[in-house]
Amino acid sequence: GAGVSQSPRYKVAKRGQDVALRCDPISGHVSLFWYQQALGQGPEFLTYFQNEAQLDKSGLPSDRFFAERPEGSVSTLKIQRTQQEDSAVYLCASSRDRGPPYEQYFGPGTRLTVT
Amino acid sequence: AQTVTQSQPEMSVQEAETVTLSCTYDTSESNYYLFWYKQPPSRQMILVIRQEAYKQQNATENRFSVNFQKAAKSFSLKISDSQLGDTAMYFCALGNYQLIWGAGTKLIIKP
Repeated sequence: GAGVSQSPRYKVAKRGQDVALRCDPISGHVSLFWYQQALGQGPEFLTYFQNEAQLDKSGLPSDRFFAERPEGSVSTLKIQRTQQEDSAVYLCASSRDRGPPYEQYFGPGTRLTVT
Repeated sequence: AQTVTQSQPEMSVQEAETVTLSCTYDTSESNYYLFWYKQPPSRQMILVIRQEAYKQQNATENRFSVNFQKAAKSFSLKISDSQLGDTAMYFCALGNYQLIWGAGTKLIIKP
């Protein structure tokens, strides 16, 4: 099997545009996570899905951020009306675990630049 | 609130030497997991090693081992016989599903 894939790898958006970032987890992995990684920093948790259920969205920074995983596989992170502070690498991870320790496998990330 | 601190922004050692990366954390949870992840330049995050807080025995994975001091809330990573391919950012992380991450240590292995 293939690893976690993310697309696009790079995205440049003008301030105010909407963007959609895609994550394809490892086949069969029930848990899926999104993180935001600013330049030179560690990742910050955004949201967590188990199958299609979004169990925790406490890390989403504002109501402009929305994530979904409608069929329990592919996930999309959508950012509306992008702002410069949204510029970051967005990481997706998946895990076969339904409970701890959630060994997470990461994708290569999408680098979003808002101009 | 849970926090993770990595106090060494950058380290460099010669190939084949042993290097230790430090990590301290704070949590009020009684059961939790600690992780070390590696992020090579322009490549994705890879799990290096994991430690369950309820286990006293330190985890080891080949050349990688941890020194887990629960009372001191310390979780350091030791890399033995370092190799050029170990050059990467190393992140310490704490949690269950919602991982709290340190700022990372840039490790450079010199030939």
